[in-house]
Amino acid sequence: DVKVTQSSRYLVKRTGEKVFLECVQDMDHENMFWYRQDPGLGLRLIYFSYDVKMKEKGDIPEGYSVSREKKERFSLILESASTNQTSMYLCASGVGNTYNEQFFGPGTRLTVL
Amino acid sequence: GQQVMQIPQYQHVQEGEDFTTYCNSSTTLSNIQWYKQRPGGHPVFLIQLVKSGEVKKQKRLTFQFGEAKKNSSLHITATQTTDVGTYFCAGPLSTDYKLSFGAGTTVTVRA
Repeated sequence: DVKVTQSSRYLVKRTGEKVFLECVQDMDHENMFWYRQDPGLGLRLIYFSYDVKMKEKGDIPEGYSVSREKKERFSLILESASTNQTSMYLCASGVGNTYNEQFFGPGTRLTVL
Repeated sequence: GQQVMQIPQYQHVQEGEDFTTYCNSSTTLSNIQWYKQRPGGHPVFLIQLVKSGEVKKQKRLTFQFGEAKKNSSLHITATQTTDVGTYFCAGPLSTDYKLSFGAGTTVTVRA
């Protein structure tokens, strides 16, 4: 079974802090994704990566950056957290085309105070 | 704005009844995928449809892809409490290389 793990299930940070969210997959998938999920808005893509050191902006990249130094790990960085970044963050991985089936991690619920 | 739309946003169903949820896109999709997210859980892939007019079944769930490949439906028969959750459709818009997700249909079941 594909396993996608995220570093924290719950995280509380203060406005202005730098926040790192880590995601690791164990299936040698080339594609990895970061989404945020908000009620009524579904899943919105922040960034994705189709290879090590490669990254592409999704639909809502503002205020976020990413890092992919190793194939299995994809990090989401909030340079200066703001209250409007309070959300559920979901990581996913996949193979082949970037619009193929995706496997999701358990999510990190981030609260920015 | 969102270009993959799902209706209804909420579906309250009596146990044992059937219901259908719909997914509509503003553009042609090369494929349509459906995911289910249980309360407190994460989205889990259910199925992918690729061909125009394709119909696939998984036990009590029937998935259909429209002839124009711009809409899809999920029909659940004899709803059970295990069907509770949010169902998302997703597909790549015609000029895109990433999935666009609908806002989801959240299903609750009355026993």
